[in-house]
Amino acid sequence: AQSVTQLGSHVSVSEGALVLLRCNYSSSVPPYLFWYVQYPNQGLQLLLKYTSAATLVKGINGFEAEFKKSETSFHLTKPSAHMSDAAEYFCAVSDLGNYGGSQGNLIFGKGTKLSVKP
Amino acid sequence: DSGVTQTPKHLITATGQRVTLRCSPRSGDLSVYWYQQSLDQGLQFLIQYYNGEERAKGNILERFSAQQFPDLHSELNLSSLELGDSALYFCASSFGTSGIETQYFGPGTRLLVL
Repeated sequence: AQSVTQLGSHVSVSEGALVLLRCNYSSSVPPYLFWYVQYPNQGLQLLLKYTSAATLVKGINGFEAEFKKSETSFHLTKPSAHMSDAAEYFCAVSDLGNYGGSQGNLIFGKGTKLSVKP
Repeated sequence: DSGVTQTPKHLITATGQRVTLRCSPRSGDLSVYWYQQSLDQGLQFLIQYYNGEERAKGNILERFSAQQFPDLHSELNLSSLELGDSALYFCASSFGTSGIETQYFGPGTRLLVL
């Protein structure tokens, strides 16, 4: 079975500081990995996704993530935090189902709330 | 705006009651997914439909059911409601069923069971 673990339910950074949100996955086959962001009282919006084309994935709003197979990680980073980045971030893996084929649905981590201090 | 619409935005009801949540996918998308977001369980997959057919089931209770209609909108029916069913229910859509595709999420329906 696949799973996703996000380390740290809350992360606080100062404006302009590096943002690092951690995600580790468990999968017996090469995974498809996603980062979504949820602003208060809104739905989830895709930030970026890994589909095996490139290990360093660039997303919207200056975010990027690096797929590291040896570490089973897909950490999200942004060089300089903005106040508008304050939100909850979810790492997810695509469910491959029982036979290794994709079912399409997502398995989410518990989420990390990012606070940005002025 | 993701292009996925959900109604109603908020729903307050009593235990034992039945409610229906509605979702309209993005134009052209054939797959609809339902997810439940609660404080204790996080975001959990409930059920997926593709072009009118049930495709995959997750942690969906027997008291819950869903369907996708010929115009591709979907409804999630929750019956014999319990306090623990209070949650945010999201619908998402994608064109196909491949795990590589982006799922576009609606704004959610917040259900409060009193």
